[in-house]
Amino acid sequence: SAVISQKPSRDICQRGTSLTIQCQVDSQVTMMFWYRQQPGQSLTLIATANQGSEATYESGFVIDKFPISRPNLTFSTLTVSNMSPEDSSIYLCSVKTGLQSTEQYFGPGTRLTVT
Amino acid sequence: GQNIDQPTEMTATEGAIVQINCTYQTSGFNGLFWYQQHAGEAPTFLSYNVLDGLEEKGRFSSFLSLYKGYSYLLLKELQMKDSASYLCAVRDRGRGSTLGRLYFGRGTQLTVWP
Repeated sequence: SAVISQKPSRDICQRGTSLTIQCQVDSQVTMMFWYRQQPGQSLTLIATANQGSEATYESGFVIDKFPISRPNLTFSTLTVSNMSPEDSSIYLCSVKTGLQSTEQYFGPGTRLTVT
Repeated sequence: GQNIDQPTEMTATEGAIVQINCTYQTSGFNGLFWYQQHAGEAPTFLSYNVLDGLEEKGRFSSFLSLYKGYSYLLLKELQMKDSASYLCAVRDRGRGSTLGRLYFGRGTQLTVWP
């Protein structure tokens, strides 16, 4: 298994500002993902964070709005840029420990409120 | 793309058995997952199916039919603590940077009554 921590756990931000969310894993993992869970909704995949290269974004998500870094096998950041109230959501980091592993683990999430 | 469908909510009583169904359509299938999510918490892994059949793990079992694009999660001897949202998710059969993407259904909110 993997233990995942996220910072901050929650934040309240003003529209037009940006927030960077950090994800730290206690062991090296092959794959890291970022998800969004809007109020009352299920999880939506934002992007796959790739080590040493640009993230792979899902349809509807772009790098300018959600820049992602992954400098090594245990750490990633997601930035929510130029925020609006529609960005209010829980942002979750998720990891897959190995190429052959089946399980995928989730961090505790970052609850973001944009006013 | 992926299309994953499950009921929005279900109710049951303590000690009962409940079955939560999930149907899916996907361009590339590489496994089906069930997660449990309590309010305000992260999803926790329950089960994984990639071949036809039933996987049993204690009070929880999960079934998969590849031909029908159908799965169910069976919860036995329900307890109050089982009240949660149950998420069905399909893993994408991608390559390289798209390998292992997980797509979720809307979740089924289960309420267990005493």
